[in-house]
Amino acid sequence: EDQVTQSPEALRLQEGESSSLNCSYTVSGLRGLFWYRQDPGKGPEFLFTLYSAGEEKEKERLKATLTKKESFLHITAPKPEDSATYLCAVHAPSGGYQKVTFGIGTKLQVIP
Amino acid sequence: GAVVSQHPSWVICKSGTSVKIECRSLDFQATTMFWYRQFPKQSLMLMATSNEGSKATYEQGVEKDKFLINHASLTLSTLTVTSAHPEDSSFYICSARVTALGSPLHFGNGTRLTVT
Repeated sequence: EDQVTQSPEALRLQEGESSSLNCSYTVSGLRGLFWYRQDPGKGPEFLFTLYSAGEEKEKERLKATLTKKESFLHITAPKPEDSATYLCAVHAPSGGYQKVTFGIGTKLQVIP
Repeated sequence: GAVVSQHPSWVICKSGTSVKIECRSLDFQATTMFWYRQFPKQSLMLMATSNEGSKATYEQGVEKDKFLINHASLTLSTLTVTSAHPEDSSFYICSARVTALGSPLHFGNGTRLTVT
């Protein structure tokens, strides 16, 4: 069974204090690993797709990387508006069809 | 691109009534849409996969007679919670994917259902 584990569950940073979020996964036949941002009471907002080990994607203060077992979301010099829950998900075949499995997420709070 | 619209954003209903939630793909066609449920501090849980023109595929433990799904066109899927009870109160989110292997899901903004 596909598994996605995110750590830490919660992270509190001072504005400007860089850090990384971890997503460890166990899956057969990875089709893609996704990162999403979710604000309270809203649906997840797509950030990145990573397809193969060694791949990196960047968007403003966020950078996502991928290895064969985990992905990191690096946040450089975060701002309060980066506060949100960050979700990781893996896309893989399961039981004859494609399935997306989500982690619980990391709740990030950036303090001014 | 790849915008998914969900309506309503919140609804309060009385126990025993039914509630319909709509999910539309605004700028692309989606032969498949997905319905998720999210509880506080838990991950998104897939309830069912909605297939245009055919029956939905439900995940284990999800009652198909309680959560009716209709996918009548390439841009619209609906989820009807029938005979709602307080335990059905939750955050329901739909999503769709531009048909391409490995392409990401795009989500609506969710519907907060409260059953009193």
